Amino acid sequence: DTGVSQNPRHKITKRGQNVTFRCDPISEHNRLYWYRQTLGQGPEFLTYFQNEAQLEKSRLLSDRFSAERPKGSFSTLEIQRTEQGDSAMYLCASSLGGVPNEKLFFGSGTQLSVL
Amino acid sequence: KQEVTQIPAALSVPEGENLVLNCSFTDSAIYNLQWFRQDPGKGLTSLLLIQSSQREQTSGRLNASLDKSSGRSTLYIAASQPGDSATYLCAVRPKSYSGNTPLVFGKGTRLSVIA
Repeated sequence: DTGVSQNPRHKITKRGQNVTFRCDPISEHNRLYWYRQTLGQGPEFLTYFQNEAQLEKSRLLSDRFSAERPKGSFSTLEIQRTEQGDSAMYLCASSLGGVPNEKLFFGSGTQLSVL
Repeated sequence: KQEVTQIPAALSVPEGENLVLNCSFTDSAIYNLQWFRQDPGKGLTSLLLIQSSQREQTSGRLNASLDKSSGRSTLYIAASQPGDSATYLCAVRPKSYSGNTPLVFGKGTRLSVIA
């Protein structure tokens, strides 16, 4: 499968625990995005990387969130001291190039439930 | 701030019917507009991308139009099938001086095609 891969598919955790998600983009895609989606809402932008550089972060990304993309390949998104409000689907997308014709390819997401 | 609205929020139609999904956006300064499909609990699949200079794009039974000046787009699905049942999301790529603005999504239209 050459699509965007996200692991795990589901994560259940207790409030206050730390969690880490992984995203493997399509090979050779230089841009990688993280979005968050809650039930009945559209995805909301969190952050994106061009190669290994994190170029933009949303104000939604509090200090408890950190993302990395070492060597410009896979990316991880860590949430520290999880809260019930962090429960959501976390989506990763990758693309090659930029505007105006940039087309994003999304993974299947990681569904986080914080109890 | 760019806002994207999709109407209706939900739609149920009998198999074989032609249907139209609507998307509106508040700022006409965009690079492109994309329509995505999302199955329950899954990631997003890109259906069509319309550049700001284009009026429409077609793929199989799908046709998307863009009227940038009025801030509207429609997704037309011909001869609907039960397999078309999913949530359809509209997203725009706002223009900015940096060119690095992320996609802004609507909340989606949940479509059910009844056999």
